[in-house]
Amino acid sequence: SQQGEEDPQALSIQEGENATMNCSYKTSINNLQWYRQNSGRGLVHLILIRSNEREKHSGRLRVTLDTSKKSSSLLITASRAADTASYFCATEIRRTDKLIFGTGTRLQVFP
Amino acid sequence: AAGVIQSPRHLIKEKRETATLKCYPIPRHDTVYWYQQGPGQDPQFLISFYEKMQSDKGSIPDRFSAQQFSDYHSELNMSSLELGDSALYFCASIWRGEGSGETQYFGPGTRLLVL
Repeated sequence: SQQGEEDPQALSIQEGENATMNCSYKTSINNLQWYRQNSGRGLVHLILIRSNEREKHSGRLRVTLDTSKKSSSLLITASRAADTASYFCATEIRRTDKLIFGTGTRLQVFP
Repeated sequence: AAGVIQSPRHLIKEKRETATLKCYPIPRHDTVYWYQQGPGQDPQFLISFYEKMQSDKGSIPDRFSAQQFSDYHSELNMSSLELGDSALYFCASIWRGEGSGETQYFGPGTRLLVL
């Protein structure tokens, strides 16, 4: 069954606003990663947070991880039209090294 | 910096034909993963190789096979193609040796269309 569920499935905001996407997973993980994908193109790695970390920042990105709730959130601050893309969380399952992707959030940022 | 290379980038095949997708990992990376992403779907893990040996297997049909060669490149062979095989196929690589990171680096993908 699906390891990762993301919500919302779609999000539309204005430039300058913040965008928050959530991801839930089911099993124990080594780490959780967020990827971005523009309209059927390649997957771009954004940020990785390990299972023993609670929060991580990278530029305008802020990721939190709550292993007790098996959930993570990705916050994009001061969004730009160029942030328009699909965002996927992916978990590296403990004792394996494969990534299990969530269902993705389609973000639309209007100028 | 060198990235993961996949070829071809686009491929059109007829039903029941075969296709071979190639992946060239980042130099020094010893582990390769294959993922399949159907239209509007999230990527699904197919299979992985570490040091030329299969390390894990996911939802890969029996009609598909893959291997990793001595130069660490990998090929995904797909036979008896079906319409449902139309998808974007990603390859990712990582170095699992001592002191390695945890980020899988993805290639640009091969878009396969089965008619």
